[in-house]
Amino acid sequence: AQSVTQLDSHVSVSEGTPVLLRCNYSSSYSPSLFWYVQHPNKGLQLLLKYTSAATLVKGINGFEAEFKKSETSFHLTKPSAHMSDAAEYFCVVLRSGGYNKLIFGAGTRLAVHP
Amino acid sequence: ETGVTQTPRHLVMGMTNKKSLKCEQHLGHNAMYWYKQSAKKPLELMFVYSLEERVENNSVPSRFSPECPNSSHLFLHLHTLQPEDSALYLCASSQVMQAGGTDTQYFGPGTRLTVL
Repeated sequence: AQSVTQLDSHVSVSEGTPVLLRCNYSSSYSPSLFWYVQHPNKGLQLLLKYTSAATLVKGINGFEAEFKKSETSFHLTKPSAHMSDAAEYFCVVLRSGGYNKLIFGAGTRLAVHP
Repeated sequence: ETGVTQTPRHLVMGMTNKKSLKCEQHLGHNAMYWYKQSAKKPLELMFVYSLEERVENNSVPSRFSPECPNSSHLFLHLHTLQPEDSALYLCASSQVMQAGGTDTQYFGPGTRLTVL
């Protein structure tokens, strides 16, 4: 069965410093993976997705993620955090077969301090 | 965010009330989804409609009743809810692709439901 594990429930960084949000996946197949962001009182917004093309995926707002099969990881990074990046981030794997079903991680809350 | 809209944004109801949540997608998609987001729990898929046919009912209690009259609209009818049903209910839509394709789900802003 496919699943994702987000290794940190909370991450705190200073504005202007790098961001690293960690995600490990479990999948019998070559997975499709996503990162979504949720700002307070908002729905989920797609940041980026990996679908077995390039292993380094660039997303919106300067975020990127690298698919590493040997480590079963799909960590989200950003070189320099902005205050507006404070939100909850979800790593998601697509369960294929029939219609497609998203399996969500528990989420990582990112705090950005001045 | 205007691709998928949800109304109302906030709803407070008693356990004996009947209410409905509405979702509308303006993206021309052929699949729609209801999710429940509770505090300290991962997002839970509740229902999926693909081509207006329900394809998944994820062990959801019968006090939640979905309806999909067409590919653009999705409702969640609520009756005799419990306080533990208080949560953020999110709607999403996607274009289900041919075999081998990967559809992306687009989410609405959610309805914050409080059951007293």
